[in-house]
Amino acid sequence: EDQVTQSPEALRLQEGESSSLNCSYTVSGLRGLFWYRQDPGKGPEFLFTLYSAGEEKEKERLKATLTKKESFLHITAPKPEDSATYLCAVPDNTDKLIFGTGTRLQVFP
Amino acid sequence: DAGVTQSPTHLIKTRGQQVTLRCSPKSGHDTVSWYQQALGQGPQFIFQYYEEEERQRGNFPDRFSGHQFPNYSSELNVNALLLGDSALYLCASSLGQGVDGYTFGSGTRLTVV
Repeated sequence: EDQVTQSPEALRLQEGESSSLNCSYTVSGLRGLFWYRQDPGKGPEFLFTLYSAGEEKEKERLKATLTKKESFLHITAPKPEDSATYLCAVPDNTDKLIFGTGTRLQVFP
Repeated sequence: DAGVTQSPTHLIKTRGQQVTLRCSPKSGHDTVSWYQQALGQGPQFIFQYYEEEERQRGNFPDRFSGHQFPNYSSELNVNALLLGDSALYLCASSLGQGVDGYTFGSGTRLTVV
């Protein structure tokens, strides 16, 4: 069964304290891995799509990387405004997105 | 360029009632997918509409139904509401099957009392 697992469930960081979020997946024939940011009560906001192992993408303080079994979202010197839930998703063989349960990030000043 | 628009933003219904949620896709997108997100969980796929037909469906009962109109907008209908249907309902639009990415709306918060 296709599955996406994210860890940790929650992460508390001091402003400026870098860390990484993990997304591991089991799906036959990966055709992309998506990272989204979701603020409370809002819809997911697209961050990155990664397609092949070794690929990396960056946006401001965020960098996403992909291996054959997992993806990491690295957050460098986070700020309080980076506080949100970060969701990872992969399409299954019918292209519907399978989401993880997310990592809830809190960054304190 | 407007993104995905959902209405209403919040809704309170009584158990047993019926509800209709609406979605207008991002300009240029022709496919609409609906997701249910319970508190603290990731979104769960309900169904997807393309060319006014349900193209695929997740593991949801027949109480959940939908429709897509010629202008690509879509409705989600839920009959005989249960307390467990309380969730954030998200609409996502894409071009085709969306492998290049989905754009999500802000969602409709449904509370069943």
